[in-house]
Amino acid sequence: AQKITQTQPGMFVQEKEAVTLDCTYDTSDPSYGLFWYKQPSSGEMIFLIYQGSYDQQNATEGRYSLNFQKARKSANLVISASQLGDSAMYFCAMSSGSARQLTFGSGTQLTVLP
Amino acid sequence: GAGVSQSPRYKVTKRGQDVALRCDPISGHVSLYWYRQALGQGPEFLTYFNYEAQQDKSGLPNDRFSAERPEGSISTLTIQRTEQRDSAMYRCASTRTSGSNTHNEQFFGPGTRLTVL
Repeated sequence: AQKITQTQPGMFVQEKEAVTLDCTYDTSDPSYGLFWYKQPSSGEMIFLIYQGSYDQQNATEGRYSLNFQKARKSANLVISASQLGDSAMYFCAMSSGSARQLTFGSGTQLTVLP
Repeated sequence: GAGVSQSPRYKVTKRGQDVALRCDPISGHVSLYWYRQALGQGPEFLTYFNYEAQQDKSGLPNDRFSAERPEGSISTLTIQRTEQRDSAMYRCASTRTSGSNTHNEQFFGPGTRLTVL
């Protein structure tokens, strides 16, 4: 069975600072994908970044990077130079094996302080 | 290009009524997924299609829930004899391929907020 754990219900960060949102996963499949989505208060789900289990390097997309530690089964999201618009709920998700549906964590509510 | 669209955006219904929720995926996207999201939680998988074939419906809570995608494009999620516990945000997502060796990002629609009174 697949499981995603996000242990930080809420996080605060000062504007312009970096922040790390934690995510650990559990799967027995060697092939899997890890995703981060942002959900602002408007309710949309915005794809941020993807990491494949066989990727050798950590994924990066602009100010977002994924700190992938396979042995520890962790896929933390790092947001650099936080902006007020980064305030939102962040979900870590995984698809593994032949199952293509996403399994989501419970989310982390990030608040960026001015 | 246009993203995933869903209609209606809001639906209020009385207990016992049937509802049909529609999803129009990104043009050309092969796979379509339905999720349900309770307030303050992550989405939970309901069912998905590759083209018109329903591949997995293991997440449907009970037989009051059904889904179809008859022409491999638009999909409808139907809930019969709605109950108050069915109240939630219902989200649709699509991906461009269904390859067994890929894990593609899913693009989500805005969701339908269902309230059962």
